[in-house]
Amino acid sequence: SQQGEEDPQALSIQEGENATMNCSYKTSINNLQWYRQNSGRGLVHLILIRSNEREKHSGRLRVTLDTSKKSSSLLITASRAADTASYFCATGVQSGYNKLIFGAGTRLAVHP
Amino acid sequence: DAGVIQSPRHEVTEMGQEVTLRCKPISGHDYLFWYRQTMMRGLELLIYFNNNVPIDDSGMPEDRFSAKMPNASFSTLKIQPSEPRDSAVYFCASRPEGARKLFFGSGTQLSVL
Repeated sequence: SQQGEEDPQALSIQEGENATMNCSYKTSINNLQWYRQNSGRGLVHLILIRSNEREKHSGRLRVTLDTSKKSSSLLITASRAADTASYFCATGVQSGYNKLIFGAGTRLAVHP
Repeated sequence: DAGVIQSPRHEVTEMGQEVTLRCKPISGHDYLFWYRQTMMRGLELLIYFNNNVPIDDSGMPEDRFSAKMPNASFSTLKIQPSEPRDSAVYFCASRPEGARKLFFGSGTQLSVL
């Protein structure tokens, strides 16, 4: 079964707006990662946050992690049409850190 | 580096046929993962290898699925016999020891008619 569940399933915004995607998970983790998938392509790693971190930035990306609520959020600021893609959270579970379990993803559409 | 290379990109076959998907991981990566992506079930981890040895195959759906890694630069995922419900995109990913992020191939789109 999937470890992470993203919310919303789909998001449609205008260029320049911010996009926020949320992820909830079930078991204890040692890290949480976000990946991006363009249509018909493989997944590309965006950012990793460790279980002892609360916030991390990378360019226009901001990730937060709340282990007490077992949730994370990905914020993309000043979105561009090129950000249109599906975004997945993935959790590295503590019991088997080699296994990366992916959520169902959020489909983001950024309109010019 | 060419990245993770998967072949074929697309495979269309008839029910009952054997299907073999291939993957070449990034050179120097010790871990190789096979995932399956469908609309209904999302991305599922099927099996992963460390230094060519299968470590966890608990995600392999049934005995019709088998995976091998005869050397550090090649892995196969075989389905025999294939069924329409096996239709999905199959991804291979790899990573080096000590790293956490995965590098994905472009996937194989499998259609079983």
